[in-house]
Amino acid sequence: KQEVTQIPAALSVPEGENLVLNCSFTDSAIYNLQWFRQDPGKGLTSLLLIQSSQREQTSGRLNASLDKSSGRSTLYIAASQPGDSATYLCAPAPLGTYKYIFGTGTRLKVLA
Amino acid sequence: GAVVSQHPSWVICKSGTSVKIECRSLDFQATTMFWYRQFPKQSLMLMATSNEGSKATYEQGVEKDKFLINHASLTLSTLTVTSAHPEDSSFYICSAREVLSTYNSPLHFGNGTRLTVT
Repeated sequence: KQEVTQIPAALSVPEGENLVLNCSFTDSAIYNLQWFRQDPGKGLTSLLLIQSSQREQTSGRLNASLDKSSGRSTLYIAASQPGDSATYLCAPAPLGTYKYIFGTGTRLKVLA
Repeated sequence: GAVVSQHPSWVICKSGTSVKIECRSLDFQATTMFWYRQFPKQSLMLMATSNEGSKATYEQGVEKDKFLINHASLTLSTLTVTSAHPEDSSFYICSAREVLSTYNSPLHFGNGTRLTVT
């Protein structure tokens, strides 16, 4: 059974810092892994999707890497801003299914 | 871009009543929709997979008679919480997969429904 852990659980940083959010998963048989953002009381916004054959994906200030064999993914946020404050979730998709398994999330707060 | 609309965004109901939540794909057709629930400060837990024109597939531990799912068209899936109890209070989120998408296409999520049972 796939288990997904995110570290740290919570993070509070001053504006402008570069951040690394970590995600580890136990089953490396995945199609892809998605990173999502969730604002309080809201649904999920997809940030990046990394296919199992890829090592990283970039979108603006966000960069996600994937090391499938070791069951790890990281989300790098450059030059953080208060608007980045949210909960970040990673979710690998097991082979043959769209049943994404969500991590426990990292609650990020960027202070102005 | 692909938009998934969930309605209502929040609902308060009395214990023992039933509540229906709608999930609509607005600009694409979805053969498969997923229903998740999320307790405060916890992650999303998959409840069931909804397939257009067939019975939903429920995850282990989810009562299918309590959480009725109907996926009658390619753009609409509904989740009905029957005989709701306070412990059913939670945040319910749906997601949808486009008809022609591959396993490497992103899922699209609704904005969620906050259910409070008094």
